[in-house]
Amino acid sequence: GQQLNQSPQSMFIQEGEDVSMNCTSSSIFNTWLWYKQDPGEGPVLLIALYKAGELTSNGRLTAQFGITRKDSFLNISASIPSDVGIYFCAGRWNSGGSNYKLTFGKGTLLTVNP
Amino acid sequence: DAGVIQSPRHEVTEMGQEVTLRCKPISGHDYLFWYRQTMMRGLELLIYFNNNVPIDDSGMPEDRFSAKMPNASFSTLKIQPSEPRDSAVYFCASRSGQISNQPQHFGDGTRLSIL
Repeated sequence: GQQLNQSPQSMFIQEGEDVSMNCTSSSIFNTWLWYKQDPGEGPVLLIALYKAGELTSNGRLTAQFGITRKDSFLNISASIPSDVGIYFCAGRWNSGGSNYKLTFGKGTLLTVNP
Repeated sequence: DAGVIQSPRHEVTEMGQEVTLRCKPISGHDYLFWYRQTMMRGLELLIYFNNNVPIDDSGMPEDRFSAKMPNASFSTLKIQPSEPRDSAVYFCASRSGQISNQPQHFGDGTRLSIL
């Protein structure tokens, strides 16, 4: 089955620093999603990418859909304490049918020291 | 707007007992997903429904797990009998299939502990 390798597993940074995390896949996806999960809550969508090479920003967040369709990265600039949480990448391959299954990475735990 | 609503938020029970988790998707969403999250395995899709019909249940771990969606606004995930290894956070998510590229919206989960 499809597998996603997400790295790093965890990061400890100082407030104001930039953060980068990425996901690689053993197979091609045609959608990449990045979610954030706060303690005691469900994942919340941050950025969605639908096209190879696409670069999308959402405030201080920037994500790219790799040109090979097998990878994606998420950058957070000028981190703040509320960025703390677990970040997940997720990929989907839907071949024009009704496959809406997402494959998730294991997550990156981000800690921001004020 | 109301999001995906799950109940209970926490459940602690003894092994062997039946456990029922509930989910109310976002109104108008025609896809519903059940996930399980553990430290070891991360987020795993268990089953998903389209228009109340199960489409893919290949992620359901074994026959002790069953899921139903009797109508567009309600779904249950049952474990009978429950075992300690079923302890996890179970998430429900929904999405609209009417508009392309709509993301899944997650509930806040049910934290299940089987003693």
